[in-house]
Amino acid sequence: DGGITQSPKYLFRKEGQNVTLSCEQNLNHDAMYWYRQDPGQGLRLIYYSQIVNDFQKGDIAEGYSVSREKKESFPLTVTSAQKNPTAFYLCASTLHGGASSYEQYFGPGTRLTVT
Amino acid sequence: KNEVEQSPQNLTAQEGEFITINCSYSVGISALHWLQQHPGGGIVSLFMLSSGKKKHGRLIATINIQEKHSSLHITASHPRDSAVYICAVHLGAGGTSYGKLTFGQGTILTVHP
Repeated sequence: DGGITQSPKYLFRKEGQNVTLSCEQNLNHDAMYWYRQDPGQGLRLIYYSQIVNDFQKGDIAEGYSVSREKKESFPLTVTSAQKNPTAFYLCASTLHGGASSYEQYFGPGTRLTVT
Repeated sequence: KNEVEQSPQNLTAQEGEFITINCSYSVGISALHWLQQHPGGGIVSLFMLSSGKKKHGRLIATINIQEKHSSLHITASHPRDSAVYICAVHLGAGGTSYGKLTFGQGTILTVHP
């Protein structure tokens, strides 16, 4: 079955450590996205990538980094520079980011807790 | 002010009731999504609309582009409908959003038996 996988579902880290969240898709989608969700707030875009080896900052990119070396993978690193890293992180993908394809698929999410 | 506003923020209903969740947005869009998020956190896409009305089972979604407003209706609600319902839009015309979504804050729906 095609879909998006994120692992792990729950992740715990100490403050000051970098942590990388995994996102893999087997939908053959070109475009991938990382969103962050905080209680009582809507999801916000962190980074997105329309094609391999290219990515763009979203609305809240500070303290995060990404890579897109393979079409199916878009890992997100939460660095120690991110002031409030505890949140629920969702990965999503679309066939491509152009005008003709807007159906967006979401992964199950990773809940990161930093203490 | 958020670009996407949902109402109500919280909604409690009895099983069988007809439910309406509203979404208003302040700028032009090319498409609107209704999403469902269950307590585990995963999100499922219910509808994607750019005009008119769509129906799937007990769910109906409508959009009025001129009024910048969309509604999600649930007929004969059931406790399993309890979830967070999220409105999200592709801002701007055509493909200028590059697939990026702008989200409302969500509506927490609880349906009691």
